[in-house]
Amino acid sequence: GNSVTQMEGPVTLSEEAFLTINCTYTATGYPSLFWYVQYPGEGLQLLLKATKADDKGSNKGFEATYRKETTSFHLEKGSVQVSDSAVYFCALNRDDKIIFGKGTRLHILP
Amino acid sequence: DTAVSQTPKYLVTQMGNDKSIKCEQNLGHDTMYWYKQDSKKFLKIMFSYNNKELIINETVPNRFSPKSPDKAHLNLHINSLELGDSAVYFCASRAGQDAYGYTFGSGTRLTVV
Repeated sequence: GNSVTQMEGPVTLSEEAFLTINCTYTATGYPSLFWYVQYPGEGLQLLLKATKADDKGSNKGFEATYRKETTSFHLEKGSVQVSDSAVYFCALNRDDKIIFGKGTRLHILP
Repeated sequence: DTAVSQTPKYLVTQMGNDKSIKCEQNLGHDTMYWYKQDSKKFLKIMFSYNNKELIINETVPNRFSPKSPDKAHLNLHINSLELGDSAVYFCASRAGQDAYGYTFGSGTRLTVV
């Protein structure tokens, strides 16, 4: 079946540190891949997406590359800020529904 | 203007009651969804509707009944509420194909006491 596995948190970093949140997926065919972010007390917002192999999604300094050979879509940011503290969800879209990973809570310390 | 709006934002109710959560989207999207987020932040799809027709029903107890009066609205009615129904419920909508992301509402936090 289709599923998403992402690294468990919480992840705690200092401001300006480099961020990687790992995500791998299992799916039939070629799903679209997404990262969503949930800030405290808010709903989910689409952060970035990639729809085919080798596509790179980017937004707000975050990047992720669709790697078909490793079935991965790792999220990276070169220099995190306190305002990036949130829960990040990796997701795939297949057969008319989004399937989410379990989420990774990120804490950025000033 | 809010793209996907849910009401109420918070709902506290006693076990055994019946309650409804409303969702409206003004994006012109054809497909709408309900997701449940548990206390560990895990998100799971419950239902999806495409142009008022039920497409996905993910083994949700039949106490939960979605209703779509038109393609801009997808309401969730819950009968005989149980403690385990406490969660945050998110409505979402999507345009077109799988390649597009979903737009989520801000959620309804349901607490059953």
